[in-house]
Amino acid sequence: QLQLQQSGPGLVKPSETLSLTCTVSGGSITSSSYYWGWIRQPPGKGLEWIGCVYHTGGTYYNPSLRSRVTISVDTSKSQFSLELSSVTAADMAMYYCATIQLWFRSVDYWGQGTLVTVSS
Amino acid sequence: QSALTQPASVSGSPGQSITISCTGTSSDIGGYNYVSWYQQHPGKAPKVMIYDVIKRPSGVSNRFSGSKSDNTASLTISGLQAEDEADYYCASHTSSSTLIFGGGTKLTVL
Repeated sequence: QLQLQQSGPGLVKPSETLSLTCTVSGGSITSSSYYWGWIRQPPGKGLEWIGCVYHTGGTYYNPSLRSRVTISVDTSKSQFSLELSSVTAADMAMYYCATIQLWFRSVDYWGQGTLVTVSS
Repeated sequence: QSALTQPASVSGSPGQSITISCTGTSSDIGGYNYVSWYQQHPGKAPKVMIYDVIKRPSGVSNRFSGSKSDNTASLTISGLQAEDEADYYCASHTSSSTLIFGGGTKLTVL
C-alpha cells in the first residue's frame, strides 16, 4: 500500500517561498504508472490542482500558478517537492501531495495534508 | 482554466437516489473519458469513488456509479446512507494536459 508523508513549515511569510516535501513509501517513485502531484484546498473552498512531476523530471503545471511553481523529484530519496514563490494570503490552504494516474485518470493516494498559513 | 460546474448542494433521504452533475467543455469532459469523482468528509483527504467515467476502485460500494453525456458527467448514489453525507468533487483531464476540478457539491442526507 503506497503511502505519502508530507513535511514542511505550516507558516510562511508574505512574499516568501512556500516549500513542502512528500516522501513516498510502500511503492516506487520510479513507477511508470503515476505522476507525483500537489493539490491545495483553501479553508471552506474547493480543490485546486497545482501541478505534478513524472519520475523522469517532466512537469505539468496549472496555468494560473505556472509562473510561481516548481515541482521536482529526487528519486534517490523517494521524495518530490513543491515550491511556490511570492506567496500571499490567497495561497493560504491545506496542501496535499498525491499520486495521479497517467492521463490524469484518477488521484489515487493522498498525503495527510499540511495547513499553510501566510502571515508575518 | 475555469473550474468544472457542479451544483453547490444536493439532498436526499435515506434509501433514495441522488445524482450530481458536472459540466465542462469539449476540451475536458467532452473530449476524454478521464472523469473522476471524489468524496471528502470534513477534516479528511478526498477519496476517489469513480474514475474513467464509470469505473469503481476496489472497495468502493456499487451504490456509486458514474456516467457521461457530451460535456456533462454525472455521479449517482443509490440507496443513500447517512455515511454518504460529504462533499463531492468531479475532475477531468484537459486538452492542455492539466487536471481540472469541479467547484464541489455538498450532499446532505436528510
